[in-house]
Amino acid sequence: DQQVKQNSPSLSVQEGRISILNCDYTNSMFDYFLWYKKYPAEGPTFLISISSIKDKNEDGRFTVFLNKSAKHLSLHIVPSQPGDSAVYFCAAREYGNKLVFGAGTILRVKS
Amino acid sequence: GAVVSQHPSRVICKSGTSVKIECRSLDFQATTMFWYRQFPKQSLMLMATSNEGSKATYEQGVEKDKFLINHASLTLSTLTVTSAHPEDSSFYICSVPRDSSYEQYFGPGTRLTVT
Repeated sequence: DQQVKQNSPSLSVQEGRISILNCDYTNSMFDYFLWYKKYPAEGPTFLISISSIKDKNEDGRFTVFLNKSAKHLSLHIVPSQPGDSAVYFCAAREYGNKLVFGAGTILRVKS
Repeated sequence: GAVVSQHPSRVICKSGTSVKIECRSLDFQATTMFWYRQFPKQSLMLMATSNEGSKATYEQGVEKDKFLINHASLTLSTLTVTSAHPEDSSFYICSVPRDSSYEQYFGPGTRLTVT
């Protein structure tokens, strides 16, 4: 049973526009949510995170929104750049510092 | 620069042999490291938590006798895939959590192919 779901396998966006990646979760005990970016044959790199007590966190072009009542979070990238093209994983932290990952969304930013 | 390294980056082995993968924390000491595997077009699945000075903790469904983990020092954890089979072919990634932080730093991964 997937506790973290990314229902969109892929997303294509024009350069300069906004990219919105979505993530849903089922476990209300998760206390932190993280977004990782991954290129093929490489390990994930940390992008941005949000505590479960917050509803928004912003870092440059990246903003993560958390809707606890809906158990939903989203990553906004604006403006999108071709270098943003990668697989984006949503992850949630549970006990023991373990991370539970979603299946990932492939983002393609077209120039 | 890299915070976590893995060696080898790619390995091909024959069925029945064993393969050792190393994970090193370069910037800080780590009493805990995590081992994940990723199948093509799928998510990262946590296999086990490597604990320095004690036994590893395995996730449900992961065979501890097949995937041997040794946390030899505060900067090194190894994963040995014993008696490898083609279905063990996967991308194995380790991560190191920062102390007092929810962040994890991931290694570059090891592509294992069992023929």
